Parts: sequence; structure tokens; C-alpha cells
Amino acid sequence: AQSVTQPDIHITVSEGASLELRCNYSYGATPYLFWYVQSPGQGLQLLLKYFSGDTLVQGIKGFEAEFKRSQSSFNLRKPSVHWSDAAEYFCAVGLYGNKLVFGAGTILRVKS
Amino acid sequence: DADVTQTPRNRITKTGKRIMLECSQTKGHDRMYWYRQDPGLGLRLIYYSFDVKDINKGEISDGYSVSRQAQAKFSLSLESAIPNQTALYFCATSDLLRINEQFFGPGTRLTVL
Repeated sequence: AQSVTQPDIHITVSEGASLELRCNYSYGATPYLFWYVQSPGQGLQLLLKYFSGDTLVQGIKGFEAEFKRSQSSFNLRKPSVHWSDAAEYFCAVGLYGNKLVFGAGTILRVKS
Repeated sequence: DADVTQTPRNRITKTGKRIMLECSQTKGHDRMYWYRQDPGLGLRLIYYSFDVKDINKGEISDGYSVSRQAQAKFSLSLESAIPNQTALYFCATSDLLRINEQFFGPGTRLTVL
């Protein structure tokens, strides 16, 4: 069955430091991959998506993610974290029929 | 104005009560979804609908029902609420042409006592 694993439940980084959030997926076909962010009290907002082509994709708010087929990974990165990036981040894989399977989420805390 | 709205935003109810959560969208999308979010479990799909006449069960549909009243409206009902249905519920929409990209409402926090 298709699944998405986010190994880190919580991550704390200092403001200005770099960030990498890990995501691994299990899916038989070429996946469509997504990262969403959920700020406190808000719905989910799409950060970026990968369908095909260049394996390094750029998103909003300075985020990027790299698709590595050999590792079944789609890790999210940001070179310099801002306090406003504190939120919960979800990786998701798109299935046939326009459905999504989500990982459990990673809560990012930013310390000043 | 928000593209996907949910009402109510917060609801506290008692075990055994019937409750309806409503979702409306102005994006013109055909496809609508209901998810629940629980800490440590991410979002899980309850029901989805690809058009007014199409309703499909998701991963965790037991104890829930839905109604697609119009293209823009998709309601989730708990016929007899139980405490383990306490969760954050999200409605989402998508467009056939933008594969898998879903747009989410702000969520409804439901507490069942």
C-alpha cells in the first residue's frame, strides 16, 4: 500500500539556520509529490509540488525540495529559517484519482 | 474572501448527538474531499466526491456520511457522535486539470464529550 513517512515528529532550529525536513514514500509508480504547511489555526497551504522533470523544485516562501528516486525521498529544505516558518509540515503523495496520502507531519519550532 | 469555507469553525457536542459540518467553495472545482487530522497521524481521507452524483468512501468512512448538495457544497455528518471522533476536520477541493493539487479550508475543530 502507498505510504508516506516523515521520520521527525518535531524539529527545532535556530533562526537563520538551514532546515531539512525528511520525507520517504512507498509507491509503485512515478509519484506526484507535495509539501504542505499548516500554520497554527490555519488550513493547509501548498508549498511546492513535483510531477516530473527537474528533480529540484522551488516553492513559495523560499522553500525547495529534491526528488531522489533511488532513495524514495522528497526532502524539503530552506537555507535560512525565519521565525514565521514555525508550523507543521506535511509531505503527501498523489494517487490515481486525484487523492492524496499524507505523512504524519513534522512540527517545526524556531528558536531566536 | 476565502475560496474554501467551513462552518462551524469550532463545535463542542455530546456523545450520541447528530452533527453536520459544512463546506462551501467558490473555486469552481468539481472535486471535494473531507479529511480528519489527528496528532501524529496526519490527515486521513473520510469521503470524496468527483461531482454531484459521485460519492466515494475514503480510508476511514465508518461513522460518517456525506451529502453533495451542489457543485459548491459538500457536507459531512456524524449520525451519532462518539468521543474518538474528536478531531480537526478539513474540507478540500481540486480541479481535474491540476492533478492532485488540493486546496484546503481553514478546518473545523470538533470536540465530542
